[in-house]
Amino acid sequence: EPEVTQTPSHQVTQMGQEVILRCVPISNHLYFYWYRQILGQKVEFLVSFYNNEISEKSEIFDDQFSVERPDGSNFTLKIRSTKLEDSAMYFCASSPQGARNEKLFFGSGTQLSVL
Amino acid sequence: AQTVTQSQPEMSVQEAETVTLSCTYDTSESDYYLFWYKQPPSRQMILVIRQEAYKQQNATENRFSVNFQKAAKSFSLKISDSQLGDAAMYFCAYRSAWGSGAGSYQLTFGKGTKLSVIP
Repeated sequence: EPEVTQTPSHQVTQMGQEVILRCVPISNHLYFYWYRQILGQKVEFLVSFYNNEISEKSEIFDDQFSVERPDGSNFTLKIRSTKLEDSAMYFCASSPQGARNEKLFFGSGTQLSVL
Repeated sequence: AQTVTQSQPEMSVQEAETVTLSCTYDTSESDYYLFWYKQPPSRQMILVIRQEAYKQQNATENRFSVNFQKAAKSFSLKISDSQLGDAAMYFCAYRSAWGSGAGSYQLTFGKGTKLSVIP
C-alpha cells in the first residue's frame, strides 16, 4: 500500500529557531493535513490543505505556523519561531478526495524537541 | 465542540483471547463518522474500522468489530483472537458528516488506549 513519508523522524531545535517539517503525501491524494500530539495528550488537528489553500485550521495554527506545497509532491509545515510548547510529535496525513468518511493515511511522524 | 473520551489508558489481553476497548463521545450532531485507528511502534496510524452514525448495523473488519450505541454515544472496539501484532496504541476518533463551520472538518481524537498482547 502507498505510504505517506515524513522527514526527519526526529528534529531538535533551539527555542526561537525556525523549523520546517517535510512530508510527501500519497501521489494521487488531494487533501493534506497536519496533526500533532504532545506527549501524554490527545492527537490534535492543526490544518487541512486542498488545492493549494488552507481549507481549515485550528486555534493552535496561529501566525507562527504556515504550510506549503512547494513543488507538487512535498507538503511542508513551517514553525517560524519555535517555543518550548511546540515540542510534540507532528503527523502528516493525506486522503484521496477529502470525503468525511474517507480514511486518512498517516505518516510515521516527526518528533520535534524544542530546547 | 465534540469530545472523545477513552477511559482505559492501558489494557492487556492474552494471545487468542478477546478484548474490548471503550470509547465514548459527546456531540449534538445526528450524523457523523467514528473511526478506530491503530498506532503500532512504527508510529504510523492505520485505520482499523469506521462506522457511519446513520447505519444501525455495527461495522466489522475480519477480527475487529464495533459495538456502536448511538443513544449512549458509545463506540467500543472488540478484537477477537488477539494476535501479537495487535499490540499498539488504539485511538478512537470522531468526524462530523456535515457543516462548514470551524472544527467541522477535522478528526477529533481520544487520548488512546495502549494494548499489550501477552503470549
